[in-house]
Amino acid sequence: GDSVTQMEGPVTLSEEAFLTINCTYTATGYPSLFWYVQYPGEGLQLLLKATKADDKGSNKGFEATYRKETTSFHLEKGSVQVSDSAVYFCALKSQGGSEKLVFGKGMKLTVNP
Amino acid sequence: DAGVIQSPRHEVTEMGQEVTLRCKPISGHNSLFWYRQTMMRGLELLIYFNNNVPIDDSGMPEDRFSAKMPNASFSTLKIQPSEPRDSAVYFCASSRGRDEYFGPGTRLTVL
Repeated sequence: GDSVTQMEGPVTLSEEAFLTINCTYTATGYPSLFWYVQYPGEGLQLLLKATKADDKGSNKGFEATYRKETTSFHLEKGSVQVSDSAVYFCALKSQGGSEKLVFGKGMKLTVNP
Repeated sequence: DAGVIQSPRHEVTEMGQEVTLRCKPISGHNSLFWYRQTMMRGLELLIYFNNNVPIDDSGMPEDRFSAKMPNASFSTLKIQPSEPRDSAVYFCASSRGRDEYFGPGTRLTVL
């Protein structure tokens, strides 16, 4: 079945550091890919998404590019802030099939000033 | 738009008691999802509805758990009887199409 594998962390960075969170997936066809973020004590929020190969999703300085050839959707940010401290989840939704999101295990990021 | 609304936000109960969690999806969304999040097991999909009909309940842990969606604007997740291992944060999410929007969650503690 469909699955998502991502870095689990936890990861601690200093403010203004570069961030990469790796995410790879297994799925048939062309799934839609998502990054969700969960701030402490809150629900998950959609951070960005991409629905077809080579699409780039971006939001709040974060970017991820849908790479079909490597089945990857790595999340990047050039300069993290303390406010980016959260848990980040990579997820996919199958093309034309189940409505279910398949999530990775999540990665906790802490950014120190 | 108020977003997905869940109640209560926190629930503390004793083992054996019935617990009912409530969710109001975003107006116009036709799919609704119930998730459970724990440190040990991460985020698990329990059940989802499409147009008020349960489509996949394979994630419901056992018969003590039940979910209903009597109309497009309301859903409940019931645990009867509750057990300490049910302690978790329960999220409801709704969607119309590909994007899911999550509620703030209900933190359940079963003593």
